[in-house]
Amino acid sequence: SQTIHQWPATLVQPVGSPLSLECTVEGTSNPNLYWYRQAAGRGLQLLFYSVGIGQISSEVPQNLSASRPQDRQFILSSKKLLLSDSGFYLCAWSRGLEDTQYFGPGTRLTVL
Amino acid sequence: AQSVTQLDSQVPVFEEAPVELRCNYSSSVSVYLFWYVQYPNQGLQLLLKYLSGSTLVKGINGFEAEFNKSQTSFHLRKPSVHISDTAEYFCAAMNRDDKIIFGKGTRLHILP
Repeated sequence: SQTIHQWPATLVQPVGSPLSLECTVEGTSNPNLYWYRQAAGRGLQLLFYSVGIGQISSEVPQNLSASRPQDRQFILSSKKLLLSDSGFYLCAWSRGLEDTQYFGPGTRLTVL
Repeated sequence: AQSVTQLDSQVPVFEEAPVELRCNYSSSVSVYLFWYVQYPNQGLQLLLKYLSGSTLVKGINGFEAEFNKSQTSFHLRKPSVHISDTAEYFCAAMNRDDKIIFGKGTRLHILP
């Protein structure tokens, strides 16, 4: 069976510090991978998605970047965090773009 | 414009009472529809999905949803809620680029 992991589960970082959130998927190959942010009162916003190694599509202009160094690894990064980057970050995977997405447990990021 | 609208941001319901969480989608999205649930401090979990076939879809935990093409709705229902159903519920639809669009969520409060 497939599983998706995210870490860390929670993170408190000062403004201006770097960020690296990691997501890995087990039990499948060549998944589509997604990063979402859930900010208070704003629902889920798709940040990035990837259909393969090294292929990243950005949905919204922002302070964050994503990378996919391995088939089942998806990393969300920032060089300098802003207060507005606070939120709950969810990674998801699917077999194809049209298939059901399965979500990881999430990372709660607080930027102070 | 492509959109998924959840009309209620919060729904309070007494335990063992029935509940309906409303969801409407714009006709510009593909008719693949989903309901996800997010329990407190957890990631998202798929409740049910409609891809084709019977318009009444049954999901986990006793939930069901009915696809209504003429009203562009996909309301979620449960005949008798339990305190463990306290969570945030997200309606989602696949758009024509095969990306999922989420509604803003409905927080279900179960009252004793």
